Amino acid sequence: DQQVKQNSPSLSVQEGRISILNCDYTNSMFDYFLWYKKYPAEGPTFLISISSIKDKNEDGRFTVFLNKSAKHLSLHIVPSQPGDSAVYFCAASFGRGSTLGRLYFGRGTQLTVWP
Amino acid sequence: EPEVTQTPSHQVTQMGQEVILRCVPISNHLYFYWYRQILGQKVEFLVSFYNNEISEKSEIFDDQFSVERPDGSNFTLKIRSTKLEDSAMYFCASSDTSGSYTGELFFGEGSRLTVL
Repeated sequence: DQQVKQNSPSLSVQEGRISILNCDYTNSMFDYFLWYKKYPAEGPTFLISISSIKDKNEDGRFTVFLNKSAKHLSLHIVPSQPGDSAVYFCAASFGRGSTLGRLYFGRGTQLTVWP
Repeated sequence: EPEVTQTPSHQVTQMGQEVILRCVPISNHLYFYWYRQILGQKVEFLVSFYNNEISEKSEIFDDQFSVERPDGSNFTLKIRSTKLEDSAMYFCASSDTSGSYTGELFFGEGSRLTVL
C-alpha cells in the first residue's frame, strides 16, 4: 500500500528558519489530507488538515499547501522551534461516503530543529 | 484535556498466547479505531467500530483479531493466538462525528506488543 508517500525520512533545520515537509499521494479520490505529529512514547497528535477543495490552510505557525494536479502536499512550519522536533506523518482519508476514520499514513519524516 | 488511555503500555507474550489490549476512548466520542505500527513501517489501519459493531476492517484484521466494547467506557482488541509478526505498537483512537469523516482522530499513547 503506497498510496501516501513521504520520501524524506529526515529533515534538519535551524531554529527560526522554515521547515518544509513534503508528501505525495497516488489516489485522486482522497478527500482530506492531514498532518500528525508524534513524539517518542506518545501516540500521533493531530496537527492540521486540509480539504481537497482547498489549496491552503493556515493555523498559527503551520500552513499546509495542497497541489491536486501534482498530487502533492506540504507542511510549512515558520518559524521552526526546537519543540517542533518530532516525527511528522502525512495522512489521507476518503471522507464522507466512505470508510469512517480510516487513514492512510505515510512513513513519516523525522524533523530535528537545532538551536 | 480529554485523552485516550491505553493499557498495558508494554506486553510480552509467547507465540500462540491470547492477548487483550485495552483502551478507554474519549467519553463523548462515538467512533473507535485500532491502528498498529510495526517497527520501521507505516501506521496501518486495523478496524473501525461504531454503534457496537465493526464499520470496516482491513485485510490485516483476520479471524485472529476481534474487538469489543464490553461496557460504556472500554474498547478492547483481542488477538486470539499471537504470531511473531503481530509484534508492533498498537494504537487505539477515537473521534466524534466530524472527525470520523475528516480523519481528525485522537490517538492513545500505544501498547507495545512483543511476541516471542
